[in-house]
Amino acid sequence: GQQLNQSPQSMFIQEGEDVSMNCTSSSIFNTWLWYKQDPGEGPVLLIALYKAGELTSNGRLTAQFGITRKDSFLNISASIPSDVGIYFCAGQPRRNTGNQFYFGTGTSLTVIP
Amino acid sequence: GAGVSQSPSNKVTEKGKDVELRCDPISGHTALYWYRQSLGQGLEFLIYFQGNSAPDKSGLPSDRFSAERTGGSVSTLTIQRTQQEDSAVYLCASSLNRDRGYTFGSGTRLTVV
Repeated sequence: GQQLNQSPQSMFIQEGEDVSMNCTSSSIFNTWLWYKQDPGEGPVLLIALYKAGELTSNGRLTAQFGITRKDSFLNISASIPSDVGIYFCAGQPRRNTGNQFYFGTGTSLTVIP
Repeated sequence: GAGVSQSPSNKVTEKGKDVELRCDPISGHTALYWYRQSLGQGLEFLIYFQGNSAPDKSGLPSDRFSAERTGGSVSTLTIQRTQQEDSAVYLCASSLNRDRGYTFGSGTRLTVV
C-alpha cells in the first residue's frame, strides 16, 4: 500500500507553545486529512484539504496541502492541555485504485501544564 | 443516529473462537469502512462498502476475516478462529462520499487470549 511518513513520532511541549507536524508521501495525493484521536475514542476529523497549496484553519489549528502534492503540514498554536492526543494524517492518492484513505502512523502529543 | 456506533466496546475472547463486531453507521451514509489499529500503529484498511456495489475486500488480512452489510446500513465484521495477532482496535467509519473525510466510531477493542 501507500507509504505515509509522519513526523515527529512524539512530542512533549510546554503549554502555550506552538506545535508543527508533517506528513509526506511517495506519490501524489488528491486529498489530505488530519485527524485527532483521544484515548479510547475513534479519530475525529480536524481539517480536510482538497487543493494543492490550500491553507485551512480550524481555530488554533492550521493545515496546508503542499504544493508538490506529496506533503501536508499541521500547526497548532498556543497549545493547551486538551490538545493531548494522537494526530493522524490521511490521504487519497491521485491515482487511487482503491477506495480507502491511507493513514500515517501518528504523532503523539503531550502538553505539559 | 447522530454518530457511528460500534459494539461491543471491548471484547476478550479465547484463541480459536469466532467473534462478531457490529457497526451502525450514520443514517444516510452510503460508504462504510472497517479499519484495524494495532498498538502504536496507524490505521490499516480492511474493507469498504458503497451502496449496493460489491465490497472492496482488498485489505482483509486472511480468509478468517469477513464482513457484510445488511440493507445498506448495519455492518458486521466476523473473525473466525481468532489468533493472538488479531488483537487490536477495530474501527468503523462512514461517509456520504468516498472522496471526503469520514466519521469514525469509538471502536471495538479486541483482545485474544
